[in-house]
Amino acid sequence: GQNIDQPTEMTATEGAIVQINCTYQTSGFNGLFWYQQHAGEAPTFLSYNVLDGLEEKGRFSSFLSRSKGYSYLLLKELQMKDSASYLCAAMDSNYQLIWGAGTKLIIKP
Amino acid sequence: GAVVSQHPSWVICKSGTSVKIECRSLDFQATTMFWYRQFPKQSLMLMATSNEGSKATYEQGVEKDKFLINHASLTLSTLTVTSAHPEDSSFYICSARVSTTYEQYFGPGTRLTVT
Repeated sequence: GQNIDQPTEMTATEGAIVQINCTYQTSGFNGLFWYQQHAGEAPTFLSYNVLDGLEEKGRFSSFLSRSKGYSYLLLKELQMKDSASYLCAAMDSNYQLIWGAGTKLIIKP
Repeated sequence: GAVVSQHPSWVICKSGTSVKIECRSLDFQATTMFWYRQFPKQSLMLMATSNEGSKATYEQGVEKDKFLINHASLTLSTLTVTSAHPEDSSFYICSARVSTTYEQYFGPGTRLTVT
């Protein structure tokens, strides 16, 4: 079957760094997406990885290892506005997104 | 990034009535759009995949006669909730997929309350 695993909740301190992990099992693989979702709002696109390695976009970076079925989202210099749910989604061979349940990130001052 | 709009952003309707929600890709063409539903503090749940010019593909457990989807053009898909009931109250979110990159962008969502 197809499955995405990510932690349910994480807590970090303002100004610190946090890494949110995601493991996936899909029928075929066409890339890994990360989305941010604030409470009561729709998800917003953060990153898309299809090749192994680290991609950096400002304070956010995303890493992919296809051989391990593993990705992480790295958030640096955390700000209070980064408090949100972070959704990991893998695209299968039919180009359909398989969604994780999301990781709720709580930032403390 | 690509922009997807959704209208209305919120709607209150009486039980038994129908509600239509529009999803538009504003600056790109989307051959495929998706409709999701999300209950409070729960994950996104894919309801159906909508392909331009063809019938939508519904996920298991989603009633196709209750949730009518029309994808008439490369920039517009509509979801009509027919004979709405209070249990249909939820946050409905559409997304549109960029044909060339497969990146998926979400609309802002529609909060439906059925009284």
